[in-house]
Amino acid sequence: QSVLTQPPSVSAAPGQKVTISCSGSSSNIGNNYVSWYQQLPGTAPKLLSYENNKRPSGIPDRFSGSKSGTSATLGITGLQTGDEADYYCGTWDSSLVWVFGGGTKLTVL
Amino acid sequence: QVQLVESGGGVVQPGRSLRLSCAASGFTFSSYTMHWVRQSPGKGLEWVALISYDGSNYYYADSVKGRFTISRDNSKNTLYLQMNSLRAEDTAVYYCARDDFGGPDYWGQGTLVTVSS
Repeated sequence: QSVLTQPPSVSAAPGQKVTISCSGSSSNIGNNYVSWYQQLPGTAPKLLSYENNKRPSGIPDRFSGSKSGTSATLGITGLQTGDEADYYCGTWDSSLVWVFGGGTKLTVL
Repeated sequence: QVQLVESGGGVVQPGRSLRLSCAASGFTFSSYTMHWVRQSPGKGLEWVALISYDGSNYYYADSVKGRFTISRDNSKNTLYLQMNSLRAEDTAVYYCARDDFGGPDYWGQGTLVTVSS
């Protein structure tokens, strides 16, 4: 059972928008920055968003992170079939460990 | 460009030990905190351990505390994970990752560890 709670799966049609939620507590999300990672099938995770809403260079602005209170959200607009992947949120916890959400599988119908 | 290459994985019997390595290039290794993260087959990501840029501070997940040791050799640009008393539940792909902002940013391609008799 993960410290951070994500929906197991989300789906949407190409061109549409989808959001993925990540729920935590004051011990983690509430007092720390949140990051988001994309893991395409058979590959290593890739950083999509850090410090709640910043994008590394090379990440398109179709991907956006946000945070409110003890929850965070990853938004993806203009969905493409190549966006089909597992998405994970992550943050520090007050117990001095890094924690990940359980992951969300995105299906582009 | 940033490159992280893990090695040392393989099949090992329960109770035995294994040491993973992560060779870093393309950045000033000695300036960065580093992580190990693992992923069991078909499962999600699980953070394992972290070591500060100079090796003076380190933290572990409860699941590996007392069995795994993270270390680094900045003269060799290499990160290590010594894994002792291995269990079946330690079977996973192990990734090393750099920390540039307070969390993992660049990840290696991973090395598979299988604990089985």
